[in-house]
Amino acid sequence: DSGVTQTPKHLITATGQRVTLRCSPRSGDLSVYWYQQSLDQGLQFLIQYYNGEERAKGNILERFSAQQFPDLHSELNLSSLELGDSALYFCASSASGGFTDTQYFGPGTRLTVL
Amino acid sequence: AQSVTQLDSQVPVFEEAPVELRCNYSSSVSVYLFWYVQYPNQGLQLLLKYLSGSTLVKGINGFEAEFNKSQTSFHLRKPSVHISDTAEYFCAVRKNTGGFKTIFGAGTRLFVKA
Repeated sequence: DSGVTQTPKHLITATGQRVTLRCSPRSGDLSVYWYQQSLDQGLQFLIQYYNGEERAKGNILERFSAQQFPDLHSELNLSSLELGDSALYFCASSASGGFTDTQYFGPGTRLTVL
Repeated sequence: AQSVTQLDSQVPVFEEAPVELRCNYSSSVSVYLFWYVQYPNQGLQLLLKYLSGSTLVKGINGFEAEFNKSQTSFHLRKPSVHISDTAEYFCAVRKNTGGFKTIFGAGTRLFVKA
C-alpha cells in the first residue's frame, strides 16, 4: 500500500459526459501528479501540482483540468469525453516535487467511455 | 527531448533463472533514470533509481541496474527470479532541469514460468 488513495476505482460513462477523479496523497506529501495509461499511448505524464499550485504540464488535453485543494487532495476533471479517453488514470505523490523525489503511485481509476 | 526504448515487450523466463530487461534512452540534457514495477491491477512501485554516483544501483526485491552513459542504457537485472516477479516493468527518465516531466518506456512484461 503506497498510502495514495484514488476514488472511484472504476468509472463507466458515455461520450460527451464529464467526470471527476479524486486523489489523496500520502500524509506529508506536498506534490501530486496525474498520469494516463492507455494501450496505444502507454504511460503519459499529465500534470503536476505542488502545494496547491500548478508546477508542470505534460500531455494534458484542453478538455482536462486539475486542481489541488488546501488539504492537498487533488481532482482531475475530464470533460466532453471521447472513446479514446478510456484509460487507467494514476495519481502519484511525492514529498517536495523535486526532480530526485520518489513518486508513490495510487492504485488508479479505470475510466471506460462508452 | 527525451525518449525511452524498452527493447523487449515480453520476456519469458523460468523460475530461478537470471533475467535482464533492457532499456535505452536518449536525451540532450542530463537525466535521472528509474525502474518501476506494476503488478496486475495495481499502481506503479519504484524498484530503483539512478541519480548520480555509482553506476550500479541496487533496488528492492533483489533487482539491480547499471547505468552506462556511453551506451545510454540502464538495464535491469536479477540473478534469480521468482514466480512473484511476474509483472510489467517500466523504465523511465526524468530530466534534471527545467519543467518536471517523466518519460516512460512502453514496458516489458516479465513472465516467470515454473
